[in-house]
Amino acid sequence: DTGVSQNPRHKITKRGQNVTFRCDPISEHNRLYWYRQTLGQGPEFLTYFQNEAQLEKSRLLSDRFSAERPKGSFSTLEIQRTEQGDSAMYLCASSNIGAYDQPQHFGDGTRLSIL
Amino acid sequence: AQSVTQLGSHVSVSEGALVLLRCNYSSSVPPYLFWYVQYPNQGLQLLLKYTSAATLVKGINDFEAEFKKSETSFHLTKPSAHMSDAAEYFCAVNPSGYALNFGKGTSLLVTP
Repeated sequence: DTGVSQNPRHKITKRGQNVTFRCDPISEHNRLYWYRQTLGQGPEFLTYFQNEAQLEKSRLLSDRFSAERPKGSFSTLEIQRTEQGDSAMYLCASSNIGAYDQPQHFGDGTRLSIL
Repeated sequence: AQSVTQLGSHVSVSEGALVLLRCNYSSSVPPYLFWYVQYPNQGLQLLLKYTSAATLVKGINDFEAEFKKSETSFHLTKPSAHMSDAAEYFCAVNPSGYALNFGKGTSLLVTP
């Protein structure tokens, strides 16, 4: 179990630029989740995949955000035309399919700063 | 929708003292509850989860939590705080089967 891996760890970009983050889940996990965490708050759910299918998207995921999980392995989260309000920590998690008590295992996140 | 409330955004304890972090949930059905810890600039690490098999749940690093339905609480405790316990602690509930709903977190400070 090598854990959930996210890169880059930090991203600084100018407003209006596009950014892409990558997440590599624990290899045997079918589910992959994206969360956003702003300073002083708990993480907020953005979207999740079961294998390659994106099954749910939060209202927080505006049309500038897109996530993919080709072949059901790694996932990417892209933000187009970044805005100041997009500055946050973006966390990826993975889990097995199972009951509601299935724990999600988190990566160390990508911290996005918009100048 | 099910949610959790963490009472106290900051808690300070002395090294060796009891740690008590409070979490109350809102639910009319048995919830699926979790405690996570987050160290600076890191992701979240699972401490323990409530599975309905037992009301007292033991986790890693000597943390435990007790599920009390009558009080709708799932408070986290540790008998003796270590300096290394200083971190942000989050209570979470899973009402949908996929999206965790987190509390706002409690920052634990441990003083020598």
